[in-house]
This record gives sequence, structure tokens and C-alpha cells, in this order.
Amino acid sequence: AQKITQTQPGMFVQEKEAVTLDCTYDTSDQSYGLFWYKQPSSGEMIFLIYQGSYDEQNATEGRYSLNFQKARKSANLVISASQLGDSAMYFCAMRERNTGGFKTIFGAGTRLFVKA
Amino acid sequence: ETGVTQTPRHLVMGMTNKKSLKCEQHLGHNAMYWYKQSAKKPLELMFVYNFKEQTENNSVPSRFSPECPNSSHLFLHLHTLQPEDSALYLCASSHGAGVNSPLHFGNGTRLTVT
Repeated sequence: AQKITQTQPGMFVQEKEAVTLDCTYDTSDQSYGLFWYKQPSSGEMIFLIYQGSYDEQNATEGRYSLNFQKARKSANLVISASQLGDSAMYFCAMRERNTGGFKTIFGAGTRLFVKA
Repeated sequence: ETGVTQTPRHLVMGMTNKKSLKCEQHLGHNAMYWYKQSAKKPLELMFVYNFKEQTENNSVPSRFSPECPNSSHLFLHLHTLQPEDSALYLCASSHGAGVNSPLHFGNGTRLTVT
């Protein structure tokens, strides 16, 4: 069963505007971590922001914020004041405990296009 | 040298070849991972190693054989691959414990099986 769902294959945003990328997840664990990663066309995966399941406040990192709604199991990424360099694939991920350690699983990703 | 380094960056191999992908991390992490990224599919977790011990094999075919000689090095040995194995193979590392540990990725190896 899909555990991380990103329903937007592609999104367009005008430069300098804000954009929200959706992510829902499914887990029966009480303790888990939620992450967003950016993958530019060059291929490297870049960690953007983290939210813990017990964190009551939404995480923020510069222009990135994570809108965490635990009851709805959603962890949407908000990018404020979009820049041309934000054009990339964005992946939502969840880290949880498994046998012997921890593992991180990813959603299918959303491709963001920033228009000048 | 810092971060996670993968070699080679590109690899073309025939179905009867044997090759290996290498990953090295200089971050002091104790967990390492192989992921496969195919077009139009989510990143697929293949293997997880914690303190050199394999803790996850995500139903990966035996033609992929991982090796983790120490906490800093991870290999993926390839033999008799199929064209559908063509993909970007990403190595990552993290602190082993805790749900709050982000993954640090290498730049990947773009594999083409002919």
C-alpha cells in the first residue's frame, strides 16, 4: 500500500509567489519523521526541512515551511517568494522504525516549474 | 573530502557483464542505503545497513548484491542485469538512530543496461 502520496505530478507558480506542494502519509506508528527533499535537474537530492510527529509547531527553514496537520496525516510544503532556482522535483518522505533500525520511504514527487 | 561520493557517475553495461557501484561517506554516519530511481516511479528503497549489518532487503532480485565492509563504504555488485534495471542508483547515509535523521545523498550512478 502506498504510504506517501503526492497527488500533484506537476505544478506551475509565478516567480515571487507562494506555492503549496501536497503530501499525505499513512502510518500506525506514533513516532515518525517527515521530510521534504529537492532534486534539481542535476540529480542530487537535497534535504530541505524536517517535522517530527511530536512537534506541535510547524517547521520553518528560510523560505520553506511545513504545514503539518497530524489528524489529517498531511505534511504540505509551502515555498514562499518562489525563485527560478526553485524549479525542480520535490519529494515528501517519511522515516519510521523498522526491524533492526529505521527506514525512509518517499512519495512519487511533484515537479515544480517557476515562471518568470 | 566531505559528503557522500558515488562512483562511477555513469555506467553502461551489457546483460552478461559484472560491475560494481561504489559509495563512500565522510560524514561519520552509521547507516547507509541504496535507492533505485526509475522514470515515473517513486524512489525505491533497496537495502539498508546499520553499523555494517543489513537490516532491510526490500525484495530486491539476487542479481543485485550489496556489500558494506565498514560504516563508510557501501557497494552494489551487479550481474546479469535486465534492461528494466536501467535507472539512477542513489546512495545515502544518515545517523542510524532516530526518526529525525535526514538522508544525505550522493549524486547517483546513472546505469544503462543494454
